[in-house]
Amino acid sequence: RKEVEQDPGPFNVPEGATVAFNCTYSNSASQSFFWYRQDCRKEPKLLMSVYSSGNEDGRFTAQLNRASQYISLLIRDSKLSDSATYLCVVVDYKLSFGAGTTVTVRA
Amino acid sequence: SQTIHQWPATLVQPVGSPLSLECTVEGTSNPNLYWYRQAAGRGLQLLFYSVGIGQISSEVPQNLSASRPQDRQFILSSKKLLLSDSGFYLCAWSLGGAGGELFFGEGSRLTVL
Repeated sequence: RKEVEQDPGPFNVPEGATVAFNCTYSNSASQSFFWYRQDCRKEPKLLMSVYSSGNEDGRFTAQLNRASQYISLLIRDSKLSDSATYLCVVVDYKLSFGAGTTVTVRA
Repeated sequence: SQTIHQWPATLVQPVGSPLSLECTVEGTSNPNLYWYRQAAGRGLQLLFYSVGIGQISSEVPQNLSASRPQDRQFILSSKKLLLSDSGFYLCAWSLGGAGGELFFGEGSRLTVL
């Protein structure tokens, strides 16, 4: 089993829609979790950290489910500019990246 | 403010040729430094990380090597490239501790022909 797994998508959604996707991890001792955003042929950049209690940053909501060992990202009111690949990062003694979930928002 | 520079941005090399990718960080001291590779449609694979000058840890056996000759300089090298070395190489830095945010360079796209 891979350390971190993501549905690769792509998720094709119209502007204004809500899209959500998960990331599962194998190590129950993992301590920190992040979502990164990567635009096509660019470097990843931190989107948001994921806190145990869940957290929001504008239209983005991240949640952690320790019992089922997954984190989620929900994007509300999708914009064209949200089109990107979203990478989850799980930290135990090292950082492990998922392969990414591609989201395409269409007009 | 901290910045990270990585070059060259694009590289096309023949099989068997050498490789040198360079990365420098400015605006911070004693950063943790990383080299990642991202193959098409796959996640980031950690190749090397360094917690200090001359200290290099390798995550996977491969055709590549890394060096850290100065505190804020990280170099990825190969003596003889293989076709399988093609990919998108990313340098990154973080402050101490595995839980910190990673800051990536703009990446180097290597095509081995």
